[in-house]
Amino acid sequence: SQWGEENLQALSIQEGEDVTMNCSYKTYTTVVQWYRQKSGKGPALIILIRSNEREKRSGRLRATLDTSSQSSSLSITGTLATDTAVYFCATDANQGGRALIFGTGTTVSVSP
Amino acid sequence: GALVYQYPRRTICKSGTSMRMECQAVGFQATSVAWYRQSPQKTFELIALSTVNSAIKYEQNFTQEKFPISHPNLSFSSMTVLNAYLEDRGLYLCGALTGGNYEQYFGPGTRLTVL
Repeated sequence: SQWGEENLQALSIQEGEDVTMNCSYKTYTTVVQWYRQKSGKGPALIILIRSNEREKRSGRLRATLDTSSQSSSLSITGTLATDTAVYFCATDANQGGRALIFGTGTTVSVSP
Repeated sequence: GALVYQYPRRTICKSGTSMRMECQAVGFQATSVAWYRQSPQKTFELIALSTVNSAIKYEQNFTQEKFPISHPNLSFSSMTVLNAYLEDRGLYLCGALTGGNYEQYFGPGTRLTVL
């Protein structure tokens, strides 16, 4: 899980397996965004779920959102080696201009 | 497509000196640019949010006196780290937003090493 965790969580799995990672956030947010950061690159948005949605799918990705518990999850089905990355959830920073507060990240290593 | 470039990619400076980093948006209008610092442990700190024609909003623990930002047009932003010390080390990322969209487009970052 992200947030409230001091250590970066790391998961090692085999190609083809499914993986789910969780994040909890502290304050109201209009959207929860999930970003993927590959080695040597900046984060890239992979899926966004709005506060009025409970589930969002995009290809092999599935995001859920529970606003009552202020938590979100990201699932990847049928992982590929190319899914190896650090995954971050992000919420509004209340800056009015949509800066982000990132979670602590989950490192996912997928072996071929 | 939307691309964000950052340069330099890596820089080393002596303790107490300053360095400037740049962020360039290509293919879209960067109405807002957020600057972040990422630690070696991958955690992010939001430094500030800059919106064209608006005041720059700095997060707690970050000041304009230490991290002055310029955002003169819809494609360019720069930030300077003044009087850099060891605690300023990290990967500095800019995330650019356009209009009312939520998605931020990130550059690859400028890695700052302070000796």
